[in-house]
Amino acid sequence: DIQMTQSPASLSASLGETISIECRASEDIYSNLAWYQQKSGKSPQLLIYAANGLQDGVPSRFSGSGSGTQYSLKISGMQPEDEGDYFCLQGSKFPYTFGAGTKLELK
Amino acid sequence: QVNLQESGPGIVKPSQPLSVTCSITGYSIITSYFHWNWIRKFPGRKLEWMGYICYDGSIYYNPSLKSRISITRDTSKNQFFLQLNTVTTEDTAVYYCARGKYYGSHYYVMDAWGQGASVTVSS
Repeated sequence: DIQMTQSPASLSASLGETISIECRASEDIYSNLAWYQQKSGKSPQLLIYAANGLQDGVPSRFSGSGSGTQYSLKISGMQPEDEGDYFCLQGSKFPYTFGAGTKLELK
Repeated sequence: QVNLQESGPGIVKPSQPLSVTCSITGYSIITSYFHWNWIRKFPGRKLEWMGYICYDGSIYYNPSLKSRISITRDTSKNQFFLQLNTVTTEDTAVYYCARGKYYGSHYYVMDAWGQGASVTVSS
């Protein structure tokens, strides 16, 4: 199975701060990576697909980048509504696997 | 707009089967090229993809579960189902259903999820 190593496990950011979350794959996943946000008690919401494609309706302060085995999600200007859990998903090879998640809080 | 809603038993006894239903509204389960996934989130936040059933009825399972899992569907009710046999306390998790698809024939996403059904395995 492809292992997805996500970091950091938790993060505290100030209003307006720019933050990054990383996912590293144990082998090349050819940009087949998606990012999700999940707020407490809610369903996960797709933010980014294909490593850098912004899902319709997602604010432009969210962006994704990376290739090969290294990927990142950036939030350019933390907002209160960005608090939640974030995780990555690789869809390159069965079985699909997820990162362990990052808990993002507003400082 | 697609909406997915899980329903489950809440509590299951060890060694018994676990069954969860996903009801889909706003979208047909047989719409071409879509997949209908089961994912679970363990206490402590780890996520595991369990398997999916495709629009054409083909099924793929996570090999780690292959001997215990069954995914089926009822197209007349626009529902699909998860059954996990011989559960242990390690199967305690929130069970999610999600719609999946390929972008550009290569990039896979799950673009709509249910809110999850919490299942505890306990005697």
